[in-house]
Amino acid sequence: AQSVAQPEDQVNVAEGNPLTVKCTYSVSGNPYLFWYVQYPNRGLQFLLKYITGDNLVKGSYGFEAEFNKSQTSFHLKKPSALVSDSALYFCAVREGGGADGLTFGKGTHLIIQP
Amino acid sequence: DAGVIQSPRHEVTEMGQEVTLRCKPISGHDYLFWYRQTMMRGLELLIYFNNNVPIDDSGMPEDRFSAKMPNASFSTLKIQPSEPRDSAVYFCASSPRQGARGETQYFGPGTRLLVL
Repeated sequence: AQSVAQPEDQVNVAEGNPLTVKCTYSVSGNPYLFWYVQYPNRGLQFLLKYITGDNLVKGSYGFEAEFNKSQTSFHLKKPSALVSDSALYFCAVREGGGADGLTFGKGTHLIIQP
Repeated sequence: DAGVIQSPRHEVTEMGQEVTLRCKPISGHDYLFWYRQTMMRGLELLIYFNNNVPIDDSGMPEDRFSAKMPNASFSTLKIQPSEPRDSAVYFCASSPRQGARGETQYFGPGTRLLVL
């Protein structure tokens, strides 16, 4: 079975500082990894994904994520945080060759302080 | 493109009543997914369709839940009878062909259901 862990319920970062939201995963085969963001009372918005190729993936709004196979991690990063980045972030995984539904982590609240 | 459309956005009902949630996927997408979000269990996959055919309904919590996709542009998720523990946000998502199994799922705004 596949699973995703987001070890931090909340991350607090000062505006302008770099941010990292952690994600680790477990799958039997090759992982397809995704990050989504959810603003209050809104649906999930796709940020970026890793399927294959370069381990560093760049996505929307200046976010990027690094796939690390040995550590089974896919941490979300941004060099300089904005107050508008404050939201709930979800990491998700799907096993390559497996079922098509996504397995999500519990989510991490990102709070950017002015 | 209008994106994935869900209706209603909010639903308040009494225990025992039938609830029907609706979803219109993005035109041309072959896959449709229903997810449920609760504080306790997070985001869970309930069921998904490929070309209008249900593929995996193992996430449907019990027989009170049913889903249909009569055509490529419409799907329903029905709860009958509803119970307070069904209160959650229900999301519909769609994606293009899963040829590489890496296609992105695009989510609708969700239906917030409250069962009293």
